[in-house]
Amino acid sequence: DAKTTQPPSMDCAEGRAANLPCNHSTISGNEYVYWYRQIHSQGPQYIIHGLKNNETNEMASLIITEDRKSSTLILPHATLRDTAVYYCIVRGTSGTYKYIFGTGTRLKVLA
Amino acid sequence: GAGVSQTPSNKVTEKGKYVELRCDPISGHTALYWYRQSLGQGPEFLIYFQGTGAADDSGLPNDRFFAVRPEGSVSTLKIQRTERGDSAVYLCASNLGQNTGELFFGEGSRLTVL
Repeated sequence: DAKTTQPPSMDCAEGRAANLPCNHSTISGNEYVYWYRQIHSQGPQYIIHGLKNNETNEMASLIITEDRKSSTLILPHATLRDTAVYYCIVRGTSGTYKYIFGTGTRLKVLA
Repeated sequence: GAGVSQTPSNKVTEKGKYVELRCDPISGHTALYWYRQSLGQGPEFLIYFQGTGAADDSGLPNDRFFAVRPEGSVSTLKIQRTERGDSAVYLCASNLGQNTGELFFGEGSRLTVL
């Protein structure tokens, strides 16, 4: 079973920041938080991942709370092309390295 | 191209038939993952390989499903005695090693069982 919970859907105005929350209250100390997105009819695309520090790359920022029980993916200036399903995943670094996807958040960016 | 390649992109078969789906990972990627995705659902983990061996096959739904990766590169997902409930998009992904970050996904093989 997925170790994360996400809201099923969100809307965001084009040009505004999209903040996508994720709860992972049972996360262990060696487990990373990963974010992927899936645009209709395509394979999932990696966005970003982190352990406990906030991370930023050219696509997004990842904010992880100090207790690591939740995180937020931030798309700073959402465009129509960011309309997709966003998946938050917790994955360990020992034992099995499988990624377990939940049902994700369907983000719709509105013009 | 240099991405993960999956063939066929679409497969229509009849109930009870045998199906093979192929995945060509990115060159040099030692880890390879199979998922399946039904409409409106997230990808469901099936199996992953590290090199030639199946490191975790806990997601295979039953013994009709089997996957191989004999030379540590190309992988084949095999489904025997297909059922209508097997209809889904089968996704393959690879990365440099099971403990590295980014998974690269292919476009998937859409299987329809009539």
